[in-house]
Order: sequence, then structure tokens, then C-alpha cells
Amino acid sequence: DSGVTQTPKHLITATGQRVTLRCSPRSGDLSVYWYQQSLDQGLQFLIQYYNGEERAKGNILERFSAQQFPDLHSELNLSSLELGDSALYFCASSPGQGFEAFFGQGTRLTVV
Amino acid sequence: GESVGLHLPTLSVQEGDNSIINCAYSNSASDYFIWYKQESGKGPQFIIDIRSNMDKRQGQRVTVLLNKTVKHLSLQIAATQPGDSAVYFCAENIRGYNKLIFGAGTRLAVHP
Repeated sequence: DSGVTQTPKHLITATGQRVTLRCSPRSGDLSVYWYQQSLDQGLQFLIQYYNGEERAKGNILERFSAQQFPDLHSELNLSSLELGDSALYFCASSPGQGFEAFFGQGTRLTVV
Repeated sequence: GESVGLHLPTLSVQEGDNSIINCAYSNSASDYFIWYKQESGKGPQFIIDIRSNMDKRQGQRVTVLLNKTVKHLSLQIAATQPGDSAVYFCAENIRGYNKLIFGAGTRLAVHP
């Protein structure tokens, strides 16, 4: 158990819908990262927050947004969902930059 | 992107043999590297890390080697076991940026 909690574990939704994925980082970690992993592919960095502020952005679509709350949990919002958004979405946390990131078990999103 | 689609390179080894998984990185400013193991349906799991001021680091049954001259990272697993079967990712942190960039991954298949 990495200490990073993601909910829900599985999500099935229809095209055009909007979903929210939630991440609770390890106790004491200030950084939260979001990654997308499509079937049997690598990890695509989406976005990073540090202590409530956005710090880095990757290949994140405009339909996607995220935020980190004062209690340090984070949410990833995916809207106008398309079939191609079906993937595993991972959250990771670390104390800060230059430290190992610990990953949650992921949310498997299926868009039908 | 960093993915190689459905055709992850695969390393097949016999149980008990040593495994060497390689990773090339491109950014000279990368100052921190991590190896992750990802089993099917799970989140990436931290294995070992190394900072750019080192060229070797050892853990339990694992050794990471860093060659900054040719920008190459390797993970050596001693006495490979069936439980080592997974996809292995290297990740780099570029100094001044706030994200881990993942390599494409290598699938390790251990045969009895």
C-alpha cells in the first residue's frame, strides 16, 4: 500500500458526460501528480500541484482540469468525454520536487 | 508522447538468471532518476532511485547504474524470480521542472 488513495476504482460513463476523479495523497506529501495510461502504454503526465498551486502542466486536454484543495487532496475533472478518454488515471504524491513519487492504484475509466 | 503503443519491448529471462533493463534519457539537466515496476492492473511501484551525482546504487537484489556521458540508465535484477514479471519504467526529473517524465517501459517476462 503506497498510502495514496484514489476513488473510484472503476468508472463507466457515456460519451459527452463529465466525471471527477479523486486523490488523497500520502500524509505529509505536498505534491500531487496526475498521469494517464492508455491500454498497454506508458504514463502520460497531465498536471502537477504543489501545496494547492499548479506547478507543471503536461499534455492535458482543455476538456480536463484539476485542482488541489487546502487539505491537499486533489480532483481531476474530465468533461465532454470521448471514447478515446478511456484509460487508467493515476495519481501520485511526493514530499516535493526531486523525491520519489508514490502512486495510487488508479481509476479505470471506461467511456461507452 | 512517451508510449510505444501495444508493442512494449519485452525482455525474456529464465528464472534465476540476472536481468538488465535499459533506459535512455535525453535531457542533460535531468538530476534524479527512478525505476518503477508496474504489475498488471496496479499502479507503478517505486523500486530504486539515483541522483545524478552518483553512478551506482544498490538495493535488495536490484542495482541501478547511471552513465551520464551517454545518458543511459540501467536496472539490474539479480536472480530473477517469477514475481519480477512486470513492466518496468524509468523516470527522470529535469532540474527546474516539476514533473517526472516516464520512459516507454519494458516488459520483463520470467520463465521457469
